[in-house]
Amino acid sequence: NAGVTQTPKFQVLKTGQSMTLQCAQDMNHEYMSWYRQDPGMGLRLIHYSVGAGITDQGEVPNGYNVSRSTTEDFPLRLLSAAPSQTSVYFCASSLRGPLYTGELFFGEGSRLTVL
Amino acid sequence: SQQGEEDPQALSIQEGENATMNCSYKTSINNLQWYRQNSGRGLVHLILIRSNEREKHSGRLRVTLDTSKKSSSLLITASRAADTASYFCATVRSLFNAGGTSYGKLTFGQGTILTVHP
Repeated sequence: NAGVTQTPKFQVLKTGQSMTLQCAQDMNHEYMSWYRQDPGMGLRLIHYSVGAGITDQGEVPNGYNVSRSTTEDFPLRLLSAAPSQTSVYFCASSLRGPLYTGELFFGEGSRLTVL
Repeated sequence: SQQGEEDPQALSIQEGENATMNCSYKTSINNLQWYRQNSGRGLVHLILIRSNEREKHSGRLRVTLDTSKKSSSLLITASRAADTASYFCATVRSLFNAGGTSYGKLTFGQGTILTVHP
């Protein structure tokens, strides 16, 4: 079982560049989410999705865009990268979300540096 | 803002000792979860306790929840060097999306760094 797969694992961008972090899960989970992890700040929710075609904002959505065209994939787009977006990004999924089924399954993370 | 505040921020113990980590939160919750993160890796779910539960066990883990004090604790008994990791509490409360359905909002604390010395 692959679980939650994130690519790339590492990326360096210049300010103003755009890129997409990929996330795929093979567990038929309805709920998928993106978090960013910064030192001393824990993990903060960027965007989440409760099914194909349904997305919503989390705590820190500015500068990020998401879409969910299939159950399996939930890409995160940085439209114009800024140094403040330097972080480690985690994709996480759950069968029906943290309220109903609780446990989130996390990918291994994508470390992004914006110069 | 962070819902969960963890204490201590760092804990260093010897193998065989017990490790206790505490988590406090501010608003009412549906459930509280604990996760573990090894250095450079993703988070792994350890245990979930619902708001109507007071204590749960899983192997060497014991979690308590006191909703009147808005606090939880994670006890790891007979710790091992392999338990060295960061531990995060995460609270879940209902958060309705634009469609009027709630899937819950999971908010993490800042974590406790546990080091277990062989």
